[in-house]
Amino acid sequence: DAMVIQNPRYQVTQFGKPVTLSCSQTLNHNVMYWYQQKSSQAPKLLFHYYDKDFNNEADTPDNFQSRRPNTSFCFLDIRSPGLGDAAMYLCATSRDTGRLYEQYFGPGTRLTVT
Amino acid sequence: SQQGEEDPQALSIQEGENATMNCSYKTSINNLQWYRQNSGRGLVHLILIRSNEREKHSGRLRVTLDTSKKSSSLLITASRAADTASYFCATEPMMDSSYKLIFGSGTRLLVRP
Repeated sequence: DAMVIQNPRYQVTQFGKPVTLSCSQTLNHNVMYWYQQKSSQAPKLLFHYYDKDFNNEADTPDNFQSRRPNTSFCFLDIRSPGLGDAAMYLCATSRDTGRLYEQYFGPGTRLTVT
Repeated sequence: SQQGEEDPQALSIQEGENATMNCSYKTSINNLQWYRQNSGRGLVHLILIRSNEREKHSGRLRVTLDTSKKSSSLLITASRAADTASYFCATEPMMDSSYKLIFGSGTRLLVRP
């Protein structure tokens, strides 16, 4: 049973054309994360939500925005994609059980910018 | 800032051999986790070790943690071709209360049949 679902799995967009990636979860977890991962690199945290509280990483470009309309869904908006934004985008969730937790990842969306 | 560095960056072994991957980190942590990523897929959680634990086992996996050296190792025993993947360590910094994990650079493991 899929627990963290990302759509689409592959997305092609044109340089400068806005794109939205979506993530949904069936785990009812209160924390949701968006990571960017480039080839052979570590996942890089862009931002996360703790319930409705948005937490942006200091080095996340303004070009990246996020929305979380409810517990189950979270969106990543790239306002004006550049060639350097081509990457795998990973959504993850976790449940706040205190200090010890694991993250559950979706399969990722591979973004190509032409 | 990247918290974890992993060593080696790539590892190639024969099926049946053991694989050892090492992770070093910079700041005090609450816990350290290991994840696996198959090519082009999301990450899968393997094991979590708390800062007050020294060793943990899960099936063919053995994880050690040395907080004095700020390092951890992941041992996969009796490796199989299906273990071919990238392995990442991830740490939750102790001073950070924002429920973030910081991932290391990863080790790419190839298990040859």
